[in-house]
Amino acid sequence: GENVEQHPSTLSVQEGDSAVIKCTYSDSASNYFPWYKQELGKRPQLIIDIRSNVGEKKDQRIAVTLNKTAKHFSLHITETQPEDSAVYFCAATLDSSASKIIFGSGTRLSIRP
Amino acid sequence: DAGVIQSPRHEVTEMGQEVTLRCKPISGHNSLFWYRQTMMRGLELLIYFNNNVPIDDSGMPEDRFSAKMPNASFSTLKIQPSEPRDSAVYFCASSDPTSGGGETQYFGPGTRLLVL
Repeated sequence: GENVEQHPSTLSVQEGDSAVIKCTYSDSASNYFPWYKQELGKRPQLIIDIRSNVGEKKDQRIAVTLNKTAKHFSLHITETQPEDSAVYFCAATLDSSASKIIFGSGTRLSIRP
Repeated sequence: DAGVIQSPRHEVTEMGQEVTLRCKPISGHNSLFWYRQTMMRGLELLIYFNNNVPIDDSGMPEDRFSAKMPNASFSTLKIQPSEPRDSAVYFCASSDPTSGGGETQYFGPGTRLLVL
């Protein structure tokens, strides 16, 4: 089955700097990779996703990149702000109906003022 | 839409008691997922349903845990008997795989369970 590894487990960056979170997956058949953000005491919420037919996707200050050959994908947050402080989860799944999503272990991102 | 609804939001019980967690998915969503979240183990998928049918319950920790989905708008996760190590936040999520972008899972607010 699919296995998703996520690094680092904690990350602290200065406000305004960039943050990068990296994930690897094991199942080459996986073709959908969402990222969820979970603020303290709240529920996980989707912030961006990417499919295997795309190498990069951007949405304002966040971007995701995918390297299918290496089975790596990454989340990039630029110009970090205090509200970016949260736990971020990467995930992988098959792009088919009703497939379960396999989540990474999460990265706790802290933005230093 | 009100989103995924879970009840109760908080539950404190004593070891050995039965606990029932409830979930109402987003209307029209036909996939439902139960997760458990702890600091030590992160976000774990316990079980998921498609069209009210359990598809994968390999994440259910043991026989003390059971889940049902009697209809498209309601699911329960039951722990009997409960133990202190069951203390966690339990999330329910739903998705609509038949729609474009249907893999997106929408999480409920969670039930914070404390077993004393």
